[in-house]
Amino acid sequence: QITLKESGPTLVKPTQTLTLTCTFSGFSLSTSGVGVAWVRQPPGKALEWLGIIYWDDNNRYSLSLKSRVTLTKDTSKNQAVLTLANLDPMDTATYFCAHAKILSEGGMDVWGPGTTVTV
Amino acid sequence: NFVLTQPRSVSESPGKTVTISCSRSSGSIDSNFVHWYQQRPGSAPVSVIFDDNQRPSGVPDRFSGSIDSSSNSASLTISGLMTEDEAYYYCQSYSVAIRSVVFGGGTKLTVL
Repeated sequence: QITLKESGPTLVKPTQTLTLTCTFSGFSLSTSGVGVAWVRQPPGKALEWLGIIYWDDNNRYSLSLKSRVTLTKDTSKNQAVLTLANLDPMDTATYFCAHAKILSEGGMDVWGPGTTVTV
Repeated sequence: NFVLTQPRSVSESPGKTVTISCSRSSGSIDSNFVHWYQQRPGSAPVSVIFDDNQRPSGVPDRFSGSIDSSSNSASLTISGLMTEDEAYYYCQSYSVAIRSVVFGGGTKLTVL
């Protein structure tokens, strides 16, 4: 059974850097074809894809956020990490991580519960 | 890049069938997989259809997905509507040009 859970600060100041951790179980980020995606949702708004980190570190990023987002992983800890620099109040949102497979072209089959961040 | 356009809202009565559309603005709808997610208020999205028309285990067969090349759109159909189906539904696909995932704007389904 695949599970994921996001963790990190709930309140951050503008211009600071946000670091969120996705701790997962039921799969390994060293397995070929596997990835962890990050998605956010501002209050009352639609889902916004931030990026995905794959087993081979061949990451993909949203063009609109590419200059501020970094995705890394620690396979020994079963964790994926999202770093978002130079925060703005517009970055206030619930942040989700999700399991993905490259063969599904970014399709996310299992999601974490999300963590709410206020800037 | 392309945009996925969904109706902002749809409504239907319990027991009926509803179809939510997802129109792709450019490029062929069948060139990349389309996925669908259900999101109830205060909860994380849940996959209800993946790879155009595949249903994850545990999702009732009342949910089905399809692709229509003639209209360049994807559809999510829910039959035998139940009040618990009331939620937001998002379609999602992939843009090879910008190597990014694209979400539709979401559709609010009301079952009244």
